[in-house]
Amino acid sequence: DTEVTQTPKHLVMGMTNKKSLKCEQHMGHRAMYWYKQKAKKPPELMFVYSYEKLSINESVPSRFSPECPNSSLLNLHLHALQPEDSALYLCASSGYSGTGVEKLFFGSGTQLSVL
Amino acid sequence: QKEVEQNSGPLSVPEGAIASLNCTYSDRGSQSFFWYRQYSGKSPELIMSIYSNGDKEDGRFTAQLNKASQYVSLLIRDSQPSDSATYLCAVKKVQAGGTSYGKLTFGQGTILTVHP
Repeated sequence: DTEVTQTPKHLVMGMTNKKSLKCEQHMGHRAMYWYKQKAKKPPELMFVYSYEKLSINESVPSRFSPECPNSSLLNLHLHALQPEDSALYLCASSGYSGTGVEKLFFGSGTQLSVL
Repeated sequence: QKEVEQNSGPLSVPEGAIASLNCTYSDRGSQSFFWYRQYSGKSPELIMSIYSNGDKEDGRFTAQLNKASQYVSLLIRDSQPSDSATYLCAVKKVQAGGTSYGKLTFGQGTILTVHP
């Protein structure tokens, strides 16, 4: 099972709204990620959590606030977003296989539109 | 120089042909190399990974890695219309500070179209 579950699949929000994106994995992976993907562009890393601690923040604006409540869950809290933040937000998790190789798997994403 | 470079395409091949997708990377410290397939409006799906020089085959897919040339490729044999997608090359290196979970850097992606 390589499933990473994201909710909601679609989200429309105004610039004054507060919303949250949720992500869950039950593969026992100890690293979880948030990526942002604009149309016709590759995914861009936003945050990495390793063992439930924030290990990488790619200079993301503070209107995006990640949270990792436990090893299976990852949230992204959104507040006062701008229209240019409209994008596909991808959660991912990674773990090491029996051969010692790390593989990263994406969830289905949340298509976010900011009006 | 971009960290990971791919030809953006589009690459168009007839059904049944071999599609060849190429990727170069700039950091010799890169350890692991991945190919993701992304259909329009969907999330990236991991289809191949490779870590050692040489070829790795999985069904119709073959990944090739040449670390000396900093080059990784993906061959798709017997291409099908369902293979039409964007193919993303991704490279991993361990972060400074020794964190055990590395950062993936993606190329811009190559659009592949397989026509009947």
